[in-house]
Order: sequence, then structure tokens, then C-alpha cells
Amino acid sequence: DSGVTQTPKHLITATGQRVTLRCSPRSGDLSVYWYQQSLDQGLQFLIQYYNGEERAKGNILERFSAQQFPDLHSELNLSSLELGDSALYFCASSVATQETQYFGPGTRLLVL
Amino acid sequence: AQSVTQPDIHITVSEGASLELRCNYSYGATPYLFWYVQSPGQGLQLLLKYFSGDTLVQGIKGFEAEFKRSQSSFNLRKPSVHWSDAAEYFCAVASGRSGGYQKVTFGTGTKLQVIP
Repeated sequence: DSGVTQTPKHLITATGQRVTLRCSPRSGDLSVYWYQQSLDQGLQFLIQYYNGEERAKGNILERFSAQQFPDLHSELNLSSLELGDSALYFCASSVATQETQYFGPGTRLLVL
Repeated sequence: AQSVTQPDIHITVSEGASLELRCNYSYGATPYLFWYVQSPGQGLQLLLKYFSGDTLVQGIKGFEAEFKRSQSSFNLRKPSVHWSDAAEYFCAVASGRSGGYQKVTFGTGTKLQVIP
């Protein structure tokens, strides 16, 4: 158990819908990262937050957004969902911005 | 731009045999290197990491990896594989800047099958 929690574990929704994925980092970790893992794209970095501020953006679509709250938990919002958004979404956390990232168990999203 | 290549998509080894998973990276400066393992339906677990210092790194579950700058490689090894090692293994490289930005790039993964 990495100490990073993600909810929900599974999510099934329809195209065009909006969902919110939640992540609680390890105790003491200030940095949160979001990743998408799909069969065709592999594991891709989406976005990073540090202590509430966005620090880096990767291959994140404009339909997706994220934020980190004062209690350091983070949410990834996915809107206007498409079939291709079906994937495993991982959250990771680290103490600072250049430390080892510890991954949560992931949220499996299925868009029908 | 940084990149990671794991040339072997799928490897099969017999239980008790030795294992080496290959990883080659491309990065301008000294990289931060990682190996993660992912069991089916699970998240990623860190096996080991290299930031600096001794180029032979020991990790959990009996794994080790050697950083070879001249070959831009960070191969993962285990002297004797157990059936429970069957999983997918990801090599990753990370960058860091003074502004605190860390971008991690993962390889495509190597699936390990262990046969009796």
C-alpha cells in the first residue's frame, strides 16, 4: 500500500458526460501528479500540482482539468467524455517536486 | 526531449532463472531513473530508483539495476525469478528543474511471464 488513495475504483459513464476523480496523497506529500494509462497511448503524464499550484502540464486535453485543494487532495475533472477517454487514471504523490512518486491504485474509467 | 525505450514487449523466463529487462533512455543531463512494477489490475509500485552516486542500485524484492551512462541504459536484473514476479515492468526517466518541475516519461513496459 503506497498510502495514496483514489476514488472511485471503477467508473462507468456515457459519452458526453462529466466525471470527477479524486486523489488523496500520502501524508506529508505536497505534490500530486495525474497520469492516464491506456492500451494505445501507454502511460502518459497529464498534470502536476504542488501545494495547490499547477506546476507542469503534459498531454492533458482541454476537456480535462484538475485542481489541488488546501487540504492537498486533488481532483481530475473529465468532461465531454469520448470513448477514447476510457483508461486507467493514476494519481501519484511525492514529498516535493523532485522526489520519488508513489502511485495510487488507479481509477478505471469506462466510457460507453 | 526525454524518452525511454524498453525494447522487449514480452519476456518469458523459467522460475529460478535469471532475469534482465532492458531500458535505454534519452536525456540531456543526468537523469533520474526508476523501475516500477505493475501487477494485473494494480497500481504501480516503485522497485528502485537512481538519482546519483553508486551506479548499481538495490531495490525491493531482490531486484537491482545498473546505470551505465556510456550506454544510456538502466537495465533491471534479478538472479532468480519467482512466479510472483510475473507482472509488467516500466522503466521511467524524470527531469527536474530549479522551478520544481518534474516530468516523468515512462517506457512502454515489458510484460514478464514466469513458467514453472
